[in-house]
Amino acid sequence: AQSVTQPDIHITVSEGASLELRCNYSYGATPYLFWYVQSPGQGLQLLLKYFSGDTLVQGIKGFEAEFKRSQSSFNLRKPSVHWSDAAEYFCAVGADTGRRALTFGSGTRLQVQP
Amino acid sequence: NAGVTQTPKFQVLKTGQSMTLQCAQDMNHNSMYWYRQDPGMGLRLIYYSASEGTTDKGEVPNGYNVSRLNKREFSLRLESAAPSQTSVYFCASSGLGGGGNSPLHFGNGTRLTVT
Repeated sequence: AQSVTQPDIHITVSEGASLELRCNYSYGATPYLFWYVQSPGQGLQLLLKYFSGDTLVQGIKGFEAEFKRSQSSFNLRKPSVHWSDAAEYFCAVGADTGRRALTFGSGTRLQVQP
Repeated sequence: NAGVTQTPKFQVLKTGQSMTLQCAQDMNHNSMYWYRQDPGMGLRLIYYSASEGTTDKGEVPNGYNVSRLNKREFSLRLESAAPSQTSVYFCASSGLGGGGNSPLHFGNGTRLTVT
């Protein structure tokens, strides 16, 4: 079965600084990887996804993520953080065999300082 | 286009009471899911329905039942609520390929407190 680890529970960055949120997955075959963002009191919104092909994927709101098979990682990055990026971020992994549902990490809460 | 709609938004139950959480999607998706979100634990899958007429257990199914009423609707029932079921519940749906390899579309959640 697949699993996801997000090592950082809480991260604080200054507005305008760069951001990297870590995600490590465990899955035997090529995974389907996702990043979601959750604003307070809201549901989850898809930021980006990786299925195959180019290992650097672009998403909405200026986010990107890089799939590194050798490190089993799918880290989320943004060059310059805005105050509106403060939210909780979830990495998720899926598979097209077995349980056909996404497995989520425990999330990283991002705080943005002015 | 409403997407995924969950009702109610908030609910307080006493231990032992029952209730049904409702979910409907208008995107003609085949697959639907119920997750619960607890602090520090991310989202955990309770039950899912890969297609109309089928349901399967997820990671944490104990204490819950589901019904896939039709293609649009997927309900979650707590027969005898317990304080451990205090959580935020999210319904989600996905299209082609099911949830393993296609993005989930989420509702805004139901915040349930069991006293």
